[in-house]
Amino acid sequence: AQKITQTQPGMFVQEKEAVTLDCTYDTSDQSYGLFWYKQPSSGEMIFLIYQGSYDEQNATEGRYSLNFQKARKSANLVISASQLGDSAMYFCAMRVRENYGGATNKLIFGTGTLLAVQP
Amino acid sequence: DGGITQSPKYLFRKEGQNVTLSCEQNLNHDAMYWYRQDPGQGLRLIYYSQIVNDFQKGDIAEGYSVSREKKESFPLTVTSAQKNPTAFYLCASTQGQGEAFFGQGTRLTVV
Repeated sequence: AQKITQTQPGMFVQEKEAVTLDCTYDTSDQSYGLFWYKQPSSGEMIFLIYQGSYDEQNATEGRYSLNFQKARKSANLVISASQLGDSAMYFCAMRVRENYGGATNKLIFGTGTLLAVQP
Repeated sequence: DGGITQSPKYLFRKEGQNVTLSCEQNLNHDAMYWYRQDPGQGLRLIYYSQIVNDFQKGDIAEGYSVSREKKESFPLTVTSAQKNPTAFYLCASTQGQGEAFFGQGTRLTVV
């Protein structure tokens, strides 16, 4: 079954420190994509970073990096130099291809990690 | 500006009523999705559609229905068969391998 697992319901981090948010996934597909989104209390979903299953290098976007370990099926998000504005819910997501006669992309999410940055 | 528009932002429903949540995108994206989010929870997939006039059930489709008559529109109807519809509903769209773009969400409350 295709599944995203985030085992950390909540995390605390001190301002200016780095934090790692865990994400493991399960799929039998060879081609898939992994995403991280941030959801502040306002409810909007903000795209942070993307990793394709065939990408050999870990993705980076500013203070965000994705630690992609394909054999272990993990895609952890690393936030460096945490800021107070990083306090939010963080979701890991996976895009897989489904074939049912046609073909479609299916995008599934984990349960999220609530990050609190302390001054 | 291109984006996804969900309306209304807040919706109140009496028990036994059907209500329809609107989702419109002008990004020319092929795929569209509906998710439900309960407080402190993740996003659960209700329905998704890759092309016009075709859609698939997600993990929690019971009590919901959708249509995809136009590429840019993917309305969600919450029927009276959905016993616990109070939640935050998010619509999203994607194109190819790209990231999902989301609407601002609709908060549905049963009164």
